[in-house]
Amino acid sequence: SQQGEEDPQALSIQEGENATMNCSYKTSINNLQWYRQNSGRGLVHLILIRSNEREKHSGRLRVTLDTSKKSSSLLITASRAADTASYFCATVGAQKLVFGQGTRLTINP
Amino acid sequence: GAGVSQSPSNKVTEKGKDVELRCDPISGHTALYWYRQSLGQGLEFLIYFQGNSAPDKSGLPSDRFSAERTGGSVSTLTIQRTQQEDSAVYLCASSLEPGESYEQYFGPGTRLTVT
Repeated sequence: SQQGEEDPQALSIQEGENATMNCSYKTSINNLQWYRQNSGRGLVHLILIRSNEREKHSGRLRVTLDTSKKSSSLLITASRAADTASYFCATVGAQKLVFGQGTRLTINP
Repeated sequence: GAGVSQSPSNKVTEKGKDVELRCDPISGHTALYWYRQSLGQGLEFLIYFQGNSAPDKSGLPSDRFSAERTGGSVSTLTIQRTQQEDSAVYLCASSLEPGESYEQYFGPGTRLTVT
């Protein structure tokens, strides 16, 4: 069964707007990772947040983690057309990453 | 440096035939993973190799699927007697070490179509 579940499944916004995606998970974690996937091919690692961190920034990305609610959010600010992709959160089960179903983000010009 | 490479990038095969998919991980990475992604779906874990340890095969969907990793480097995923439901993108990833603290680097995937 999937550990992480992203919400919404699909998101469409205008270029320049902010995009927020959420992830919920079921078991205790030591960290959580976010990945991006373009065109159904390989995934690219975006950011890792540890369980003792509440917020982390990387460029236009902001990730939050609420371990009490077992949830994380990924915020992309000032979105660009190139941000169009699927975004996955991943947590660890038995030393292997378990991915959610992903959020399909579309940035409209 | 070179990333994870996979071959072929696309494979079309007839139902019942065997296929082999190849993955070249990043040099020095001890952990190697295979995932499967069906159209519009998330990633399904298949198998995981760590050094010389026995692989974690818990994700393999049937005994038609097998994988090996030779010399701690290149890995091949073999699907015997392919079925239409095997059609998917097969992704390989490697990481410096196993476990949650290390990011995984993904290859571009092999798109398998079983007709």
